[in-house]
Amino acid sequence: EVRLVESGGGLIQPGGSLRLSCAASGFTVSSNYMSWVRQAPGKGLEWVSVIYSGGNTYYADSVKGRFTISRDNSKNTLYLQMNSLRAEDTAMYYCAGVTSGNWFDPWGQGTLVTVSS
Amino acid sequence: EIVMTQSPATLSVSPGERATLSCRASQSISSDLAWYQQKPGQAPRLLIYGASTRATGIPARFSGSGSGTEFTLTISSLQSEDFAVYYCQQYNNWWTFGQGTKVEIK
Repeated sequence: EVRLVESGGGLIQPGGSLRLSCAASGFTVSSNYMSWVRQAPGKGLEWVSVIYSGGNTYYADSVKGRFTISRDNSKNTLYLQMNSLRAEDTAMYYCAGVTSGNWFDPWGQGTLVTVSS
Repeated sequence: EIVMTQSPATLSVSPGERATLSCRASQSISSDLAWYQQKPGQAPRLLIYGASTRATGIPARFSGSGSGTEFTLTISSLQSEDFAVYYCQQYNNWWTFGQGTKVEIK
């Protein structure tokens, strides 16, 4: 069974840092494109970042320079390092596999990040 | 950035009725469109990709159509488990999502 499990979310003050993890089973992170997608409370979905199987990384303008996507192949885990957090970064963060056709599947269950003083 | 616009924002439908959801792209995206279903407290689930191909395990009552800039998701006979929010996503140029259509019980 393919499973993605996010962790690392929580309450953090503005300007702080947080690292999210996405542990995969039945699915090889290093062989696939992997993305982070976020959803602010009561709002729609926003693509955040992608890491390609070759290692190239790309970011939405809203997080460029503050967030870093990475992976640990030995742990089959995807990460999102989030620095200089702002109130507008408050959201549920989902990791998702990007298929060869570029749509997203599978998805994890999400981890909630709240940026507030 | 390609902007995706969904309509209506909310669709009130009785069980057993047909639901038609629309999605428009700000520029042509060929057939590079996916539909996702999201229920409260759950992650999105892939329904349709390539504008019209059902994902594995998706019932035949879900169908997608369109190409270019105009797309439609049709649920032929709504079941209780289909009441949810539906998002379209383009993957022609990076990734952007529509704002969602909530399908609620009439």
